[in-house]
Amino acid sequence: KNEVEQSPQNLTAQEGEFITINCSYSVGISALHWLQQHPGGGIVSLFMLSSGKKKHGRLIATINIQEKHSSLHITASHPRDSAVYICAPGGGADGLTFGKGTHLIIQP
Amino acid sequence: GAVVSQHPSRVICKSGTSVKIECRSLDFQATTMFWYRQFPKQSLMLMATSNEGSKATYEQGVEKDKFLINHASLTLSTLTVTSAHPEDSSFYICSARGTLDSPLHFGNGTRLTVT
Repeated sequence: KNEVEQSPQNLTAQEGEFITINCSYSVGISALHWLQQHPGGGIVSLFMLSSGKKKHGRLIATINIQEKHSSLHITASHPRDSAVYICAPGGGADGLTFGKGTHLIIQP
Repeated sequence: GAVVSQHPSRVICKSGTSVKIECRSLDFQATTMFWYRQFPKQSLMLMATSNEGSKATYEQGVEKDKFLINHASLTLSTLTVTSAHPEDSSFYICSARGTLDSPLHFGNGTRLTVT
């Protein structure tokens, strides 16, 4: 079973701040998802990563497969970024395991 | 982008009845669909994986006779909660992907309340 640790669990920041969320996992995988869950429950897949770095708008995700670690960064954070961010190692032939999520609040 | 539609978004049912939740991929063929459950303030938990035309694979601890999953076409999977009990009240969400290396696309979830 893949043990997934996300940090921080809760984060409150001011609008404009640079945000970093970290994820470590115990079992090697071929891919990892970063998900965003809004208060209503709906989930959006932000990234699927196999190696290196991906960027989409103000979001950047990195992964180090050897170290079993991934990070999600948000540049110029905005109140609409407030959500729960979930790290989910797995994908491809591997089933997903979900972290407990990071509750992010961006204050205006 | 790819869209997964899940219905209903909310359902309230009486104890002992059955509830069917649908998950449709609208603009791609979903060879694999996944069903998850999330209790309040807890992580998503994978319930089962279904491949089109095959029987679903259930995770340990998930009763296959209680949570019936059908994936009869490349665009539709259904989860039926049979003989629902209050402890089945939860948020159920599906996801779907096309090929093995495709990203996952999630439905908006179904909040089930069993009274």
